[in-house]
Amino acid sequence: AQKVTQAQTEISVVEKEDVTLDCVYETRDTTYYLFWYKQPPSGELVFLIRRNSFDEQNEISGRYSWNFQKSTSSFNFTITASQVVDSAVYFCALSDTGRRALTFGSGTRLQVQP
Amino acid sequence: DADVTQTPRNRITKTGKRIMLECSQTKGHDRMYWYRQDPGLGLRLIYYSFDVKDINKGEISDGYSVSRQAQAKFSLSLESAIPNQTALYFCATSKKTGLSGNTIYFGEGSWLTVV
Repeated sequence: AQKVTQAQTEISVVEKEDVTLDCVYETRDTTYYLFWYKQPPSGELVFLIRRNSFDEQNEISGRYSWNFQKSTSSFNFTITASQVVDSAVYFCALSDTGRRALTFGSGTRLQVQP
Repeated sequence: DADVTQTPRNRITKTGKRIMLECSQTKGHDRMYWYRQDPGLGLRLIYYSFDVKDINKGEISDGYSVSRQAQAKFSLSLESAIPNQTALYFCATSKKTGLSGNTIYFGEGSWLTVV
């Protein structure tokens, strides 16, 4: 069975600090996809990134960056120079190519204080 | 307008009542999903459908049923609602194939409270 673990339940930082959200996954599939979603206080789920299991290159998008390491089954998310608008719950998720459904971690609530 | 629309967005219902949550999408995707979110548990899959004639149970399907009325419509029913079904429910869609084939897009969520 697949599993996604986000060990950090809640993180609080002060604006402009860098913060890393951890994600560890378990799967027996050789082909899979990893995702990060953001859930702001309004409740909707916002897609941030998708990464397939054959692409271990790190990715940077503005202040966001992702570190995928297959050797440690981790897909960590870093926000550089955090802002109050980054305050949200962030979910890491794992897909399988069969069901094309997602298994979610329990989420990390990030609070960025001004 | 949202590509994935859920109705109602908020509903309070009584124990034992039947409630239906509806989902429609304009993305032209083949696959549709229903998830529920509970605090501290992330999202869990209730049902998923690959097309109109292909419906599958997810991890927590007990107490729920679904109907795929058309490619664009997928409804979730609670035949006899109970308080522990109080949650935030999400409908989602994905393409069957293509580069974005595994990206799943979510609706805005439906808050359901069973009293």
